[in-house]
Amino acid sequence: DAMVIQNPRYQVTQFGKPVTLSCSQTLNHNVMYWYQQKSSQAPKLLFHYYDKDFNNEADTPDNFQSRRPNTSFCFLDIRSPGLGDAAMYLCATSRVTGSPVGDNEQFFGPGTRLTVL
Amino acid sequence: AQRVTQPEKLLSVFKGAPVELKCNYSYSGSPELFWYVQYSRQRLQLLLRHISRESIKGFTADLNKGETSFHLKKPFAQEEDSAMYYCAPRTQGGSEKLVFGKGTKLTVNP
Repeated sequence: DAMVIQNPRYQVTQFGKPVTLSCSQTLNHNVMYWYQQKSSQAPKLLFHYYDKDFNNEADTPDNFQSRRPNTSFCFLDIRSPGLGDAAMYLCATSRVTGSPVGDNEQFFGPGTRLTVL
Repeated sequence: AQRVTQPEKLLSVFKGAPVELKCNYSYSGSPELFWYVQYSRQRLQLLLRHISRESIKGFTADLNKGETSFHLKKPFAQEEDSAMYYCAPRTQGGSEKLVFGKGTKLTVNP
């Protein structure tokens, strides 16, 4: 009964070679997030989709892009991976109702570990 | 901007001992705070949220607005509590985003 699925779990790419990471959800949540987590660091939000609205974090490099073709799927595209982009990438979802004080529990996928050679 | 501080990177206790994982935040207005946990080889998951005032797996966390703290406590630690713990305030304005602290790795020794 996997709820947030990430494929692949491990991805190896070459320096500068575009790579796409995938996330899908069976929860029908309206918000999907992408985080980057480097070793021994906190998850860092890259961007998120609130329904179809894309919200980029100010310090997310242009090298990172995202697509959300429908409610269930969200993709992270890294156009030209550098050695510094090697990390665990976490996808998460939540159901946000717009209430000022709401639930906002985020459900995480298992992550994709990206290696850049 | 909101900030969250978890001063202890590593915390080690013996089974049966009390444990407290510290979290301090900077926030204006009414904060919403969460604790997330990641057990070994498992995905990150919600442990508890301050608005529900619940106890999960024996853990509680009280929001202290005066001290701007949201420490996580358990009176008697168990070995299965060994995990990475992240304090995460919701960003202001009813945003759907969270800001994660750097985390505290808790090890409960037998």
